[in-house]
Amino acid sequence: DGGITQSPKYLFRKEGQNVTLSCEQNLNHDAMYWYRQDPGQGLRLIYYSQIVNDFQKGDIAEGYSVSREKKESFPLTVTSAQKNPTAFYLCASSTKGLAGVRTGELFFGEGSRLTVL
Amino acid sequence: AQSVTQLGSHVSVSEGALVLLRCNYSSSVPPYLFWYVQYPNQGLQLLLKYTSAATLVKGINGFEAEFKKSETSFHLTKPSAHMSDAAEYFCAVTFTGGGNKLTFGTGTQLKVEL
Repeated sequence: DGGITQSPKYLFRKEGQNVTLSCEQNLNHDAMYWYRQDPGQGLRLIYYSQIVNDFQKGDIAEGYSVSREKKESFPLTVTSAQKNPTAFYLCASSTKGLAGVRTGELFFGEGSRLTVL
Repeated sequence: AQSVTQLGSHVSVSEGALVLLRCNYSSSVPPYLFWYVQYPNQGLQLLLKYTSAATLVKGINGFEAEFKKSETSFHLTKPSAHMSDAAEYFCAVTFTGGGNKLTFGTGTQLKVEL
């Protein structure tokens, strides 16, 4: 079955540690995204990538880093510089619609919940 | 800049009653609008989308939404609530050339009571 796989589902981290969240898709989508979700704040875009070896900062990129070495993979590293990393992290992907226009339909993974102890 | 506002962070309805979740948008260019649903500890799933075709959009699970430019609204409705509709619902906006950079609302938690 095609889809997006995020791992781990739950992760605990001590302050000062970097952690990497995995996101893999087998949908052959060219664009991938990382969102952070906090209660009452909706989803906020951290980073996105439209193509392999290229990515752009979203609205809250500080304290995070990404790489896009392969089309199917878009890992997110939460660094020790992120002041409040406890959150639910969602990875998504999308393809282009007719005439290469992006349709706005995102396919989401099931999320990774990070807790800093 | 584009944005969406969801009125009411929590909505409670009885099973069988009308569901109405409100979303108002702000965009300087014609918007694309979306409703997504999220069940506990899961990702989001697309319910429906408006992309400048018909203003009344039908989605999955019996939901529909109407784009009203004069009111800058895109409210989500369902004639008869079911227990399985209990979830969090997010309105989102982007625009042509926006690169799928969706801007999400803060969400509305729908509770369905017997």
